[in-house]
Parts: sequence; C-alpha cells; structure tokens
Amino acid sequence: SQTIHQWPATLVQPVGSPLSLECTVEGTSNPNLYWYRQAAGRGLQLLFYSVGIGQISSEVPQNLSASRPQDRQFILSSKKLLLSDSGFYLCALEEGPEGGAWGYGYTFGSGTRLTVV
Amino acid sequence: EDQVTQSPEALRLQEGESSSLNCSYTVSGLRGLFWYRQDPGKGPEFLFTLYSAGEEKEKERLKATLTKKESFLHITAPKPEDSATYLCAVHLPPQGGSQGNLIFGKGTKLSVKP
Repeated sequence: SQTIHQWPATLVQPVGSPLSLECTVEGTSNPNLYWYRQAAGRGLQLLFYSVGIGQISSEVPQNLSASRPQDRQFILSSKKLLLSDSGFYLCALEEGPEGGAWGYGYTFGSGTRLTVV
Repeated sequence: EDQVTQSPEALRLQEGESSSLNCSYTVSGLRGLFWYRQDPGKGPEFLFTLYSAGEEKEKERLKATLTKKESFLHITAPKPEDSATYLCAVHLPPQGGSQGNLIFGKGTKLSVKP
C-alpha cells in the first residue's frame, strides 16, 4: 500500500530564514505529487504539483519553490521565510496513470506545522 | 470561478443524533467529488469518491450522496469518535497547461458529545 512520509512534524523558524520540507513516498511509482497549505479558517490551497522528476508546476505565485529530484521525493523550499508563510503544509500523492484509477483520491502525509516568528 | 462551499462551519451533536453535512459546488466540469476526514494536527484521510449525480456510497455510519450541485454526508447515530473536520473536494479536469486538481471546501468541524 502507498505510504507518504513528511518531516519534520513541527517547525518554528525566524523570519528571513530558509526552509526545506521533505516528502517521500513508498509503495508506488511515478505518482503525481502535490504540496498543499492549510491556514487557519481557510481551505486547503494547492501550492505546487509534479507529474514527474524535475517537472514542477506552481499554482500560486509566492515566496516558495518546489523540486522533485527523485521519483518518490518532493521538496518544498524557501530562501527567506515571511510571517505569512506560517501554516500547515501537506504533501499528497496520486497514483500515476499506470497505477490505476485516480478516483481513489489523494493520499496525504501527516503534515508539517510551520510557525514563522 | 470554481467554488466549493461547505455548511455548516461547525456542528455539535449528541451521541446518536443523526445529521447531514452539505457541500455545494459551482465548477465548470466535474471529474469527481471527494470526502475526507481530518483529525486535529493530521493529514486528511480519504473517505469517498462520487462521480455522478444519484450516486451513493456508505462506510459504517457515514453515507455520501451526490446531486448535480451538491453533496451530502449523512451521519447516522454518530459516536464521539466521529468527531473530526470533514472536508469536501471537487476534482476538476485539466485546463490548458494546468493539471486537473482538487479544490477543497473549508470543512465542517463535527463534535459529537457522549
């Protein structure tokens, strides 16, 4: 079965510091990978998605970037954090075309709670 | 603009008191509608996918239904362990160079008291 790992679980960072959040997946190959942010009182907001190694699409212009150096690794980064970057960051996967129907939904990681101070 | 609206924002029930959560959507094209459960500090957990109007799916005390404009999550005789935030999401088809993706509602926070 698919599993998705995110770390760290919580992070407190000062304004202006860099950020690196990592997401790795197991039990599937060639998945679509997603980074979402969930802010208090707001719905999940799609930040980036990737359909393959080195392929990144951004949905929202912002202070963040993403990379996919390996098939099962997805990284969210920032060079300089802003206060507005605080939130709950979630990585999600969707099996690739050869993995079966997309209709089984996205599998989400356990999330990273980021607080920028 | 594609939108997903969930109501109510919060719902408090007594154990055994059945109720329904609503998810209404205005989207240009729908590939599917998803329901998720999210516990505090955790990622959403997949519950159901519905594809077409009239479709129903059940899992334990939960039953999801879909019409052309909305979906309902019915909770029958809830228990305290059903307390969580329930999220609705619609899956849109790809447009232009964009990958189809999920648009989430803000969720309904359900509290079930013993």
